[in-house]
Amino acid sequence: GAGVSQSPSNKVTEKGKDVELRCDPISGHTALYWYRQSLGQGLEFLIYFQGNSAPDKSGLPSDRFSAERTGGSVSTLTIQRTQQEDSAVYLCASKQESSYEQYFGPGTRLTVT
Amino acid sequence: AQSVAQPEDQVNVAEGNPLTVKCTYSVSGNPYLFWYVQYPNRGLQFLLKYITGDNLVKGSYGFEAEFNKSQTSFHLKKPSALVSDSALYFCAVRVLKTGFQKLVFGTGTRLLVSP
Repeated sequence: GAGVSQSPSNKVTEKGKDVELRCDPISGHTALYWYRQSLGQGLEFLIYFQGNSAPDKSGLPSDRFSAERTGGSVSTLTIQRTQQEDSAVYLCASKQESSYEQYFGPGTRLTVT
Repeated sequence: AQSVAQPEDQVNVAEGNPLTVKCTYSVSGNPYLFWYVQYPNRGLQFLLKYITGDNLVKGSYGFEAEFNKSQTSFHLKKPSALVSDSALYFCAVRVLKTGFQKLVFGTGTRLLVSP
C-alpha cells in the first residue's frame, strides 16, 4: 500500500519568506509526527498529533514554526520568516495508535538562501 | 531525561565481516528501544524493536540487536556485512508523556561497508 508521502521533495527559499511543507500519512494512521534532521545531527522532534487531541508542540524551536492537521489526515508544517538555520530535511512519520512503529516519509529538503 | 547515545559517528567494516553499531540508553523504567536505517535521499526505515522478552531481537535484512540491561546497551549486529548495508543507522527510545508517546533518536552512526 501507499506509504507516507511528503511534498515538495526539495524547497529553496529566500531568507524571510514563509514556506509550507506537506505530509500525507498512511491511511488509518492516527498519529503523525514531524522531525527535523540537520546536517551532522540526529532527528529533532518538532510536533506530534494524535487523533483529535491537542498536539504536543513541545519540540517546536520557535514561534515561527507551526503545524496543523486537517481532518485527522494531511498535515502542513509552516515556517514563517525563514532563517538560514532552518535549512534541514524535514521528516514526517505516522503510526497506528496501537503500534510502536513509526513509518517515515522521504522528507523535504529545505534550503534557505 | 530519557535518551540514547551512539558513541561512533562512523563504523567501517569489510564486506563479509561481522558488524556492530553501538547504542546505549538512559531511561527510567523498562526501555522500549528501536533501530532505524536511512539510505541516501530516503526516509527512515524501521529495522527492529525491543519491548520485552528475549534479549536478542531479530529484524529486517538479517540484522539483530542485543538488549543488555546491566550495560544499558542495545547494539545492532549483523554476522556478515554487505556493501548494500552502507547507510545511516539511528537508535531510538520511546518516551512517554501523559497521553503522548514519541521517539527520541540518537545522533546516528554512518556504516560504510567496503567491497
